[in-house]
Amino acid sequence: AQKVTQAQTEISVVEKEDVTLDCVYETRDTTYYLFWYKQPPSGELVFLIRRNSFDEQNEISGRYSWNFQKSTSSFNFTITASQVVDSAVYFCALSEAGETSGSRLTFGEGTQLTVNP
Amino acid sequence: GAGVSQSPRYKVAKRGQDVALRCDPISGHVSLFWYQQALGQGPEFLTYFQNEAQLDKSGLPSDRFFAERPEGSVSTLKIQRTQQEDSAVYLCASSLRPAISNQPQHFGDGTRLSIL
Repeated sequence: AQKVTQAQTEISVVEKEDVTLDCVYETRDTTYYLFWYKQPPSGELVFLIRRNSFDEQNEISGRYSWNFQKSTSSFNFTITASQVVDSAVYFCALSEAGETSGSRLTFGEGTQLTVNP
Repeated sequence: GAGVSQSPRYKVAKRGQDVALRCDPISGHVSLFWYQQALGQGPEFLTYFQNEAQLDKSGLPSDRFFAERPEGSVSTLKIQRTQQEDSAVYLCASSLRPAISNQPQHFGDGTRLSIL
């Protein structure tokens, strides 16, 4: 069975600080996909990034960066120079490749990020 | 709009009543998913449709939960004889291609269901 663990329930930072959200996953598959979603107070889950298990290159998109390490089964997310608008719940999710239910997402419990002015 | 639309946004029902939640996916999206999100938790998978075919319903918690997508577009999640533990946010998501492609899922705002 697949599992995603986000050990940090809540993080509070001051604006302009860098912050890293941790994600550790478990899966028996060799082919799988990892995702990060943002859930602002409005409730809608906003897609941020998808990585597949064969691509361990780190990725940077503006102030966001992701560090994927298969050796430690981790897919951490860093926000540089945080802003108040980054305040939200962030979810890490995993899906395994498959024909029917393969892309059902297994989510972690989320990390509530609060960025204070 | 261009996103996934869910209605109603909020639903309050008395225990034992039946409820129906609607999802209007992004036009042309083949895959449709339902998730249940309890307060303070991550979403949990309920069921998956590819067009009108329900290919996976393994996440439905009991036979009181039923989902359909008869014409391959709009989907309805029905809960019969509601119980207090059914209180949660129900999220619908869609993606353009069949699930095997593992494309990102686009989520609606959800329906917040409260059972009194």
